Amino acid sequence: GAGVSQSPSNKVTEKGKDVELRCDPISGHTALYWYRQRLGQGLEFLIYFQGNSAPDKSGLPSDRFSAERTGESVSTLTIQRTQQEDSAVYLCASSLGAGTNYGYTFGSGTRLTVV
Amino acid sequence: DQQVKQNSPSLSVQEGRISILNCDYTNSMFDYFLWYKKYPAEGPTFLISISSIKDKNEDGRFTVFLNKSAKHLSLHIVPSQPGDSAVYFCAASPSGSARQLTFGSGTQLTVLP
Repeated sequence: GAGVSQSPSNKVTEKGKDVELRCDPISGHTALYWYRQRLGQGLEFLIYFQGNSAPDKSGLPSDRFSAERTGESVSTLTIQRTQQEDSAVYLCASSLGAGTNYGYTFGSGTRLTVV
Repeated sequence: DQQVKQNSPSLSVQEGRISILNCDYTNSMFDYFLWYKKYPAEGPTFLISISSIKDKNEDGRFTVFLNKSAKHLSLHIVPSQPGDSAVYFCAASPSGSARQLTFGSGTQLTVLP
């Protein structure tokens, strides 16, 4: 597609349930990033993929968070046993190559609300 | 510890005037800086960037200034237009690396008609 697509756009889930968030990057973009933005805060890095590998997972807040990428394309961010502090907008971005000299293109995010 | 700080959560400016958005950073390894603009319910979009070998970069109405000694950068928008109303994020990274961008918390700019 023309842009980065994320689904669902909104998700309300009960505390303790698992959720999966999906990101379809721009075709041909080898690098893929997950960020989240909690209310009133900046964008917080979660994980970075180069191809299907994740050289940097340093931002994942706990072992309840995991992500994978397949076919050098779609990525899924999974949050297990959701907690209220997981409520945030989860943003995915892709870029043509690794390195910040390549521009990031962001999707419009998934707003996750844990009740 | 926030490595990129935007201390003003909001800014209001009259249409036609200059908007100045500020950003401070603490990590001396940062040498590539970007500004992103975000409208509600949309992802951030790239606006302008600057490398540490420069102290100014200009693109139309947008100019970014970098003061490395003060670890400070600013985005100037002249003249401001109502369509510029958005949240502006400052971001930084060591240049040329595969590391992720570190973002500030954003400044909500409102341009009043």
